[in-house]
Order: sequence, then C-alpha cells, then structure tokens
Amino acid sequence: AQKVTQAQTEISVVEKEDVTLDCVYETRDTTYYLFWYKQPPSGELVFLIRRNSFDEQNEISGRYSWNFQKSTSSFNFTITASQVVDSAVYFCALSEGASGGYNKLIFGAGTRLAVHP
Amino acid sequence: EAQVTQNPRYLITVTGKKLTVTCSQNMNHEYMSWYRQDPGLGLRQIYYSMNVEVTDKGDVPEGYKVSRKEKRNFPLILESPSPNQTSLYFCASGRLGGQGTVAKNIQYFGAGTRLSVL
Repeated sequence: AQKVTQAQTEISVVEKEDVTLDCVYETRDTTYYLFWYKQPPSGELVFLIRRNSFDEQNEISGRYSWNFQKSTSSFNFTITASQVVDSAVYFCALSEGASGGYNKLIFGAGTRLAVHP
Repeated sequence: EAQVTQNPRYLITVTGKKLTVTCSQNMNHEYMSWYRQDPGLGLRQIYYSMNVEVTDKGDVPEGYKVSRKEKRNFPLILESPSPNQTSLYFCASGRLGGQGTVAKNIQYFGAGTRLSVL
C-alpha cells in the first residue's frame, strides 16, 4: 500500500540554524514521483520540487536541498541557514505513475516548521 | 496568468444547507481533482476527473458530489453538509500526457477554501 510518513510533527529552530525534514514513503510501484510542498500561514500550497524514482541525484536550490535514497525509501528536505520566512507547514507527497493510474497525490501529515528570530 | 481559482475562500454554513465550492482553471487542463486537508492527516483526495463528463471517486468521497460539464470547471457539491466536513479544501489541475498520467506529474493547486459547518 502507498503511504507517506512525516514523523516530525513540529520543529522549532532559531534563525540561521540548518534543519532537515524527514520523509519516508512506501510504494510497490517501480515508477513513482516524490514531491515537497510548502504551505505558508496564508494557506496556499506552493510546489517546491518533484523527483522521479529513476533519478536519485540529490538536488540543491539556493538554501534548499533534497536527499533521495531509494535504499531507505526516504526523501529528506534540508533548509540551510533557516530564515523566519521559512516558517510553514511542509508536506511530502507520493504519486505512482507507471501503471497509468489516476495521478492521486498521497500526502504525509505534514511538518510544521517554526523559525524564530 | 495561469491559475486555479476557487470560490469562496472562506465559508461558514449550517448543517444540512446545500453548498457548492467552485473551481476553475485557465490552463486547458484535462485532469482536475479535489482534496481536503485535516490536521494530522495531510491532504486526501475526494474526487477527480480525467476529462469532461469523466469523474471518479478518490479516497474520501462520502458526502460529496462533483460534476465536469465544462473542461475548465470542476465544482464540489455538498448536498447536506455535516460538521465532519469542516476542513480546508483544495482544487488541483494538470495536463494529461501519455497513458492517462499527468504530464510531468505536476499538478497546480488553488488557494484553498476554508469551510466551517456548524
């Protein structure tokens, strides 16, 4: 069965600290996609990254980086030198694709990140 | 500007009073979907549509209806709302690529509708 687990419910850090948000997923498909979304206090969902199951290369975008490890079924997200504007709820999501499925996104419960000045 | 528009953004209603949340996209996307977000549960899919007149249930369809009469619109209907439908609702859309999958698997989300049923 498909499942996404974000074990950290809430994380609190002080500005400029590095923080890693954990995501562990379960799927039987060999082709799948993993995502991170940000939900700021205003409530909208902001797409951050998509990664397909055949691409284990880590990615860095400014202060954001993602570590995808199929061996541990993890897709962790690190924010370097955190800022107050990073305060939000972050969702990890999974979509199974090869079987022509209906494109459902399976979300984790989310991690609330609070960055304090 | 490419966008998914939901209305209303906020809604307070009473048990049993029928309501409709509208969703419209201007990207000519075939695929549209509704999710609800609840604390500790993340987002869960309610219904989805692969194209006009083609809709199907997601994981939590009970108490909801949808219709897809036009490509751009995908309204969510609550015929008799109950307090357990108090939630944050998101509409999403995506372009279909090959084999019925969303192109590049990227879906675009609306800003959300916060519904309270008293």
